[in-house]
Amino acid sequence: DIQMTQSPSSLSASVGDRVTITCRASQDISNSLAWHQQKPGIAPKLLLYAASRLESGVPSRFSGSGSGTDYTLTISSLQPEDFATYYCQQYYTFPPTFGQGTKVEIK
Amino acid sequence: QVQLVQSGAEVKKPGASVKVSCKASAYTFTSYGIFWVRQAPGQGLEWMGWINTYNGNTNYAQKLQGRVTMTSDTSTSTAYMDLRSLRSDDTAVYYCARDREAVIDYWGQGTLVTVSS
Repeated sequence: DIQMTQSPSSLSASVGDRVTITCRASQDISNSLAWHQQKPGIAPKLLLYAASRLESGVPSRFSGSGSGTDYTLTISSLQPEDFATYYCQQYYTFPPTFGQGTKVEIK
Repeated sequence: QVQLVQSGAEVKKPGASVKVSCKASAYTFTSYGIFWVRQAPGQGLEWMGWINTYNGNTNYAQKLQGRVTMTSDTSTSTAYMDLRSLRSDDTAVYYCARDREAVIDYWGQGTLVTVSS
């Protein structure tokens, strides 16, 4: 199975900050990467797929980049509703695998 | 809009079985597969398996082989996940999710399964 490693595991930030989360795959996943947002007690929500494609309805302050094994999720200006846990997920091969999550907390 | 509505919370004793349902609406059920993913308390997301809702083919996580069965009923647009021989470490929120060409694009609301004696 492909291992996905996110960093950091948690971070504290203020409203308006630029936030970057990193996800590293144990092998090349050819941009087959999605990012999901999960708020406490609520199901995850797809934000981006194909490493950089924004899902319909997702605010443009979210963006993704990367290639090969290394990918990033960036929130350009953190909003109060963005405090959540973010998971990367590869779908290059079966089984799909997730990173361990990055919790974004209020500073 | 696309919805996946899951059955309610369950409390089971060790050794018992649980069956979670996932009813889809607002799309053609057989055009998309269904993933099952679980999340133990305070933990991350664990893929459990997948079902092709068109032909019933399945693919299960190796650690659950022999204990899990995924099925679907096209007449009611409902997917099911059956987990047997429950253990305390099966306590988790179980999610169904739609497979859009391998991307998980919609999630059910989750079903809490608690295994306790």
